[in-house]
Amino acid sequence: QKEVEQDPGPLSVPEGAIVSLNCTYSNSAFQYFMWYRQYSRKGPELLMYTYSSGNKEDGRFTAQVDKSSKYISLFIRDSQPSDSATYLCAMTHTNAGKSTFGDGTTLTVKP
Amino acid sequence: DTAVSQTPKYLVTQMGNDKSIKCEQNLGHDTMYWYKQDSKKFLKIMFSYNNKELIINETVPNRFSPKSPDKAHLNLHINSLELGDSAVYFCASSPSGDTNYGYTFGSGTRLTVV
Repeated sequence: QKEVEQDPGPLSVPEGAIVSLNCTYSNSAFQYFMWYRQYSRKGPELLMYTYSSGNKEDGRFTAQVDKSSKYISLFIRDSQPSDSATYLCAMTHTNAGKSTFGDGTTLTVKP
Repeated sequence: DTAVSQTPKYLVTQMGNDKSIKCEQNLGHDTMYWYKQDSKKFLKIMFSYNNKELIINETVPNRFSPKSPDKAHLNLHINSLELGDSAVYFCASSPSGDTNYGYTFGSGTRLTVV
């Protein structure tokens, strides 16, 4: 079983929709949680990171972590066609020296 | 000015050949990584170097040999290429081995072995 499981997708939504992207994990040592966006034929780009449980908002993006359920989410409000990409969750713990990634969810936002 | 740059972007080669991928970062980060992304988008770490010292060496065939001449450069040499080596290889960097706040990735090298 993988340490990090991500909703597989693909996901297709109309422009303006609220999108929810989700990951679960099994390693309770994970403390830092990240979301990356990867456009086709490009490298992953860090969108947001959060520490421990709670919410963090950045513009139209909200990252949510529930450590008790080992569940993290990324919400995108008022989705735009430019949000069409693969979204990867990643997580790590102090002194791990590396991040563990989910498999990614491919999102398409249709005009 | 590109923060993490990799060359080449594309590499098509025959089985059995030897090839190298180069990576350079201008962010002043101490730690650099090689990740492999398979066709299903799964990113798996291969190696990490902190200030030229090998820190992480995952279960990667010894046909893969990383080299870090200085903390701004990390290269990957692959001997006797196999079909299963076809993937996208990403270089990444982070400050001082601290991955808590994420990596900066290069744009990737798409390797196709035929």
